[in-house]
Amino acid sequence: KAGVTQTPRYLIKTRGQQVTLSCSPISGHRSVSWYQQTPGQGLQFLFEYFSETQRNKGNFPGRFSGRQFSNSRSEMNVSTLELGDSALYLCASSRDSWGDDEQYFGPGTRLTVT
Amino acid sequence: KQEVTQIPAALSVPEGENLVLNCSFTDSAIYNLQWFRQDPGKGLTSLLLIQSSQREQTSGRLNASLDKSSGRSTLYIAASQPGDSATYLCAVNGEDNDMRFGAGTRLTVKP
Repeated sequence: KAGVTQTPRYLIKTRGQQVTLSCSPISGHRSVSWYQQTPGQGLQFLFEYFSETQRNKGNFPGRFSGRQFSNSRSEMNVSTLELGDSALYLCASSRDSWGDDEQYFGPGTRLTVT
Repeated sequence: KQEVTQIPAALSVPEGENLVLNCSFTDSAIYNLQWFRQDPGKGLTSLLLIQSSQREQTSGRLNASLDKSSGRSTLYIAASQPGDSATYLCAVNGEDNDMRFGAGTRLTVKP
């Protein structure tokens, strides 16, 4: 059974640009969550999508948005990039909502903003 | 607002030792708590998930306990091996539907 995949694995962008990251969950999993990991702030929850609906949201500005498609694949978008957005972005999937079920993480997308 | 603290921040032990990692949280209103390991530059691997109604979970050499009323969880690793070297994170899923992570404990097991 294939694990969670994220594309691209590495990305370099310039301040002010926008970026879209993609996450394919484990087959059969309906929940996808996104996290940002930085050396200073650690791991922080961004949002969770379940059956194409955003169910939970962390404390991030509106520049961070996401969506989920009918096949459970999810994308995360960051607009007007700032230097502080440089981070490892992780997505995780679970069978049901992450409140109830174990999460499986992808390898992450490392975003560098210059 | 939930605060999750992990102690110690780093730990170095010789191979074969048993060890305990600690996680504390400030708000006992939680759904569950999950322990992960993270290898450098990689994603997280789930180790154990403990629901709020449970006291402990075991998987192989790992045992995690949860004391919700005191806001504490421990991860016990028996007979440590060099392959256990990684950063261990605990994550608390609160009833406010916000998942909070600790800063992690960096474990080094020396051969």
